Amino acid sequence: KNEVEQSPQNLTAQEGEFITINCSYSVGISALHWLQQHPGGGIVSLFMLSSGKKKHGRLIATINIQEKHSSLHITASHPRDSAVYICAVKLGSARQLTFGSGTQLTVLP
Amino acid sequence: EAGVTQSPTHLIKTRGQQATLRCSPISGHTSVYWYQQALGLGLQFLLWYDEGEERNRGNFPPRFSGRQFPNYSSELNVNALELEDSALYLCASSWVQNTEAFFGQGTRLTVV
Repeated sequence: KNEVEQSPQNLTAQEGEFITINCSYSVGISALHWLQQHPGGGIVSLFMLSSGKKKHGRLIATINIQEKHSSLHITASHPRDSAVYICAVKLGSARQLTFGSGTQLTVLP
Repeated sequence: EAGVTQSPTHLIKTRGQQATLRCSPISGHTSVYWYQQALGLGLQFLLWYDEGEERNRGNFPPRFSGRQFPNYSSELNVNALELEDSALYLCASSWVQNTEAFFGQGTRLTVV
């Protein structure tokens, strides 16, 4: 069993739709990151969370430490949001990231 | 402020050769992490360097090695290249525990 599970693997939405990507992890963590990867390969860090909720523009990330679960929401989705979204955690006292398998999001105009 | 920079962007090598990939962290960041993203697979942790020392390594054979220089830049060396080493290699840097990680654009290594 993977230590970090993401769902769904693939998601297609119409422009303007509200999108949710989920991430569950199996052990205690010190931090959770949401990352965005575009087709060229480069990765952009969207959020780092250790508790609660963060918002940046149309993106919202939440984490429930007790349930070992995090969600990434995109409001009013746009075709430029099309990318792979990756959940990554620092397990226990580890400094390196452990990654989920990613969610391929396609937003159609 | 310059972000994390990696070079080269693309690298083509023949099986059995050695590859050297380079990473310059954001100014002030002392930790450098190397990750591998093979085709069809997720990101896997390779190596972590901090203050010039190797602090941790992932489940990779010893032919994957590297070093960190006094200016905190880092080099990843892959010896005796195999076809399955073809992947995107990403470098990330951070300053202290539980701060945001910043990623470079990656080096795409192709082994033929």
